[in-house]
Amino acid sequence: GAGVSQSPRYKVTKRGQDVALRCDPISGHVSLYWYRQALGQGPEFLTYFNYEAQQDKSGLPNDRFSAERPEGSISTLTIQRTEQRDSAMYRCASSLGPNYEQFFGPGTRLTVL
Amino acid sequence: GENVEQHPSTLSVQEGDSAVIKCTYSDSASNYFPWYKQELGKGPQLIIDIRSNVGEKKDQRIAVTLNKTAKHFSLHITETQPEDSAVYFCAASSNQGGKLIFGQGTELSVKP
Repeated sequence: GAGVSQSPRYKVTKRGQDVALRCDPISGHVSLYWYRQALGQGPEFLTYFNYEAQQDKSGLPNDRFSAERPEGSISTLTIQRTEQRDSAMYRCASSLGPNYEQFFGPGTRLTVL
Repeated sequence: GENVEQHPSTLSVQEGDSAVIKCTYSDSASNYFPWYKQELGKGPQLIIDIRSNVGEKKDQRIAVTLNKTAKHFSLHITETQPEDSAVYFCAASSNQGGKLIFGQGTELSVKP
């Protein structure tokens, strides 16, 4: 079956612009997670949802970052007023529920010029 | 805060040899420990996981051991093959919703 998909795969934007990254989880997966991965590092937790409820946003770096999952399926991670330090690979993962295996998507490579 | 340390950062072995990667975690409430393999240009893929009620788990050439007292867990790959070459990440999570805390990664190179 289809895995986790993310779009766009690559995004280049200018400093100060807003960006929206999309995650389409595996059908039927209750839990959805956002991570950020710098080159040569492990994924770093940002936030996660069970259904449409945001359960934990402790990993969001600051208030320019927000996420939503309004219908409990597709999720959008939005970064406002992007800065160069926001450049990274943003990865989404989904699972049947909390503490089940997390399946990762291919990621969105964000470059802020 | 929660922390996972992973060693070594790079590991080079000859084909057929064994490889061992070690992780330590700080949060004593952690109870789920997955290992992911990440190939170039791809997302992490789960290869094996272990929960805190088990000390060892094996799947063909791959095994994971867990020492809860010492807060250590390790990945063992036997009879390594060139296709095992990749970056491996350990992770830990507690009952707090499955949020994973990852180690820094080990780049494994298997030389034919």
